[in-house]
Amino acid sequence: QKEVEQNSGPLSVPEGAIASLNCTYSDRGSQSFFWYRQYSGKSPELIMFIYSNGDKEDGRFTAQLNKASQYVSLLIRDSQPSDSATYLCAVATYGNNRLAFGKGNQVVVIP
Amino acid sequence: GAVVSQHPSRVICKSGTSVKIECRSLDFQATTMFWYRQFPKQSLMLMATSNEGSKATYEQGVEKDKFLINHASLTLSTLTVTSAHPEDSSFYICSAETGGGGYSNQPQHFGDGTRLSIL
Repeated sequence: QKEVEQNSGPLSVPEGAIASLNCTYSDRGSQSFFWYRQYSGKSPELIMFIYSNGDKEDGRFTAQLNKASQYVSLLIRDSQPSDSATYLCAVATYGNNRLAFGKGNQVVVIP
Repeated sequence: GAVVSQHPSRVICKSGTSVKIECRSLDFQATTMFWYRQFPKQSLMLMATSNEGSKATYEQGVEKDKFLINHASLTLSTLTVTSAHPEDSSFYICSAETGGGGYSNQPQHFGDGTRLSIL
């Protein structure tokens, strides 16, 4: 089983809609969870990070963490064409600053 | 804040050449930096963790004699790809952790990456 899994294929959403991305992880000791956005040919850019169960909102982005079920999700509200990118989920374990990345989910926002 | 600068952004060179990539934290000190490699359509793969003043920690399968890492100061880490071959062509990205203590890992911030093409 891979450490971090993002199984959904490319996600197409109309402009203004909500994009929902999911990520599961295998290590129950994981403590820190990150979402990065990566445009084609560019390096990842930090979008959100979350440490505690529940929701964390930042602008149009909401991260949701459920440690009991070992998943973390990202919601993008009012999706814009500029949100079209690959979104990477990353997980770290307490005391170990090594990040494990998922394969990423491509999001395409259709004007 | 938390700006990481990586240079050069692109390198094209002949097989057998050694290539040095620099990673700098511009507005914070980074005791730990990370080097990743990303092949097309794939996710980031951690190559090594670079610690200021000590030897780097390499991930399994990464040749430490081929990918030399030096972290001589709190703001600079370098990756040297020695005797590069076409199979080393990839997108190399560094990151730095902002630190600050606490019980959780602080976010890593990435440089712009170096696209390496070996002919």
